[in-house]
Amino acid sequence: GDSVTQMEGPVTLSEEAFLTINCTYTATGYPSLFWYVQYPGEGLQLLLKATKADDKGSNKGFEATYRKETTSFHLEKGSVQVSDSAVYFCALRRFGNEKLTFGTGTRLTIIP
Amino acid sequence: NAGVTQTPKFRVLKTGQSMTLLCAQDMNHEYMYWYRQDPGMGLRLIHYSVGEGTTAKGEVPDGYNVSRLKKQNFLLGLESAAPSQTSVYFCASISSRDSSPLHFGNGTRLTVT
Repeated sequence: GDSVTQMEGPVTLSEEAFLTINCTYTATGYPSLFWYVQYPGEGLQLLLKATKADDKGSNKGFEATYRKETTSFHLEKGSVQVSDSAVYFCALRRFGNEKLTFGTGTRLTIIP
Repeated sequence: NAGVTQTPKFRVLKTGQSMTLLCAQDMNHEYMYWYRQDPGMGLRLIHYSVGEGTTAKGEVPDGYNVSRLKKQNFLLGLESAAPSQTSVYFCASISSRDSSPLHFGNGTRLTVT
């Protein structure tokens, strides 16, 4: 079946550091890939998405590239801020499937 | 633009009591979902619906029932609450188009004592 594996947290970085959160997936065909962010006390919000190989999703300074050859969708940001502290979830949706498959989430804390 | 609205936001129940969580979406989405989120467990799918009048079981359906009498509403019921059902519950909805993302509500924090 489909699965998503994220790097385990928690991750703690200093402000302005470079961020990478790894995500790899297992799925048949060509799924759409997503990153969601959950701020404290809130629901999950879509951060970015990519729908085909080599697509790059980007939003709020975050980027992720759909790598079919390595089945990966790593999240990156060049310079993190305290306001980026949140839990980040990688997810996939396979063509014709009504359900999304989520990773377990990575808690990110940015210290000033 | 309300999106997905969940009520209530917080609730405390005693063991054995019942309650219903309401989810409403105004995006005309076909599919709706109930998840629970527990510390260190990520999101787990309880039940979902692919259309009005249809429901299906997810990963952890035991102890819950659902109904989708109208396209915009998806109700989650607990008939006899147990402490193991203490959790944060999220409703979500999505269009049937394959690349569409899930839209989440802000959650209901339920404590069963």
